[in-house]
Amino acid sequence: KQEVTQIPAALSVPEGENLVLNCSFTDSAIYNLQWFRQDPGKGLTSLLLIQSSQREQTSGRLNASLDKSSGRSTLYIAASQPGDSATYLCAVPSGNTGKLIFGQGTTLQVKP
Amino acid sequence: DGGITQSPKYLFRKEGQNVTLSCEQNLNHDAMYWYRQDPGQGLRLIYYSQIVNDFQKGDIAEGYSVSREKKESFPLTVTSAQKNPTAFYLCASSIKGLGGTEAFFGQGTRLTVV
Repeated sequence: KQEVTQIPAALSVPEGENLVLNCSFTDSAIYNLQWFRQDPGKGLTSLLLIQSSQREQTSGRLNASLDKSSGRSTLYIAASQPGDSATYLCAVPSGNTGKLIFGQGTTLQVKP
Repeated sequence: DGGITQSPKYLFRKEGQNVTLSCEQNLNHDAMYWYRQDPGQGLRLIYYSQIVNDFQKGDIAEGYSVSREKKESFPLTVTSAQKNPTAFYLCASSIKGLGGTEAFFGQGTRLTVV
């Protein structure tokens, strides 16, 4: 059974710092991995989708990498800003379906 | 603007009542999903539908029901049989119900039992 883990559960950094969020999964036979952002009391916003054939994806200050063989993905945030404060979730599909299995999330606080 | 609209944003339910959460999408997506989010437990799948007039149970379907009569709409009913319905409910859609497709989410409905 696929399990997704995100460590740490919470992270606090000063503004301007580069940081890495981690996501690990137990079954490497995934079709893709998706990173989301969730603000308090809000829905999920899709940040990046990495297909299984890709090693990384970039969007602005965000870069996500995928290493299927080791069951890991990282989300790199460059030059963090207070507006980046949110919970970041990673998710993988359950087999060849659209059903997602989520990690518990990492809550990020960027201090001015 | 294309997207997923959930309503209402807040919902209060009395003991023994059934309530229905609305989810509408104008993305022309075939697949739609309902997730429940509880503090410390992450998101869990309640029901999903890969195509109109078809739906399947997810991991925690007991006490919930759905319908998919139109491609755009996937309402979720929380019945009185659901013992602990207080939670944040999220609706999602994807172009197909297959691995490899990107999921998009609505803004959520917070349900509270009073």
